[in-house]
Amino acid sequence: AQSVSQHNHHVILSEAASLELGCNYSYGGTVNLFWYVQYPGQHLQLLLKYFSGDPLVKGIKGFEAEFIKSKFSFNLRKPSVQWSDTAEYFCAVIEISNFGNEKLTFGTGTRLTIIP
Amino acid sequence: KAGVTQTPRYLIKTRGQQVTLSCSPISGHRSVSWYQQTPGQGLQFLFEYFSETQRNKGNFPGRFSGRQFSNSRSEMNVSTLELGDSALYLCASSLERAPLYEQYFGPGTRLTVT
Repeated sequence: AQSVSQHNHHVILSEAASLELGCNYSYGGTVNLFWYVQYPGQHLQLLLKYFSGDPLVKGIKGFEAEFIKSKFSFNLRKPSVQWSDTAEYFCAVIEISNFGNEKLTFGTGTRLTIIP
Repeated sequence: KAGVTQTPRYLIKTRGQQVTLSCSPISGHRSVSWYQQTPGQGLQFLFEYFSETQRNKGNFPGRFSGRQFSNSRSEMNVSTLELGDSALYLCASSLERAPLYEQYFGPGTRLTVT
């Protein structure tokens, strides 16, 4: 069965620091990849997604992620974080099949705390 | 456009009881998916409904069931509640077949089983 790993459970950074959150998945075939964010007290929302094409994907609020197929990774980055980026971040993966039974598998999440 | 709504927002039940949660998708969305979120397991897929049919199912026991109505609203039922069922239950809707289309999540129903 497919699995998604987010090795950083809690990351604490100061404002203006650079961010990289790791995400690795186990499926060897074609995948669609997502990063979701859950701000305190808010709904889960999509940050960015990768389906095909340019492996460097840009999302909302200055976030980007790079798909490296050989490393089964889809790490999330931001060059300079802000206090408002404090949230929980989830990586999610769909393995594409011919059977039409794709489902979204989430990592366990990374809690990001930004210190002003 | 109104977002995904879930009712009730909070629920306290005792072991052995059953519970029904409701989800109203964004207008025009035909697919509704349900997820269970817990601190230890993260977000786990329960099932997806599309055009009133269960299209996909996760690895949960048969105590977890759902349905979708002709207006795309969905309900999820959990029978014979166990302590481990305490969780945040999230509903997500998408325009067409999830999860290949962007899913929009609701605020969740926080279920506590005592």
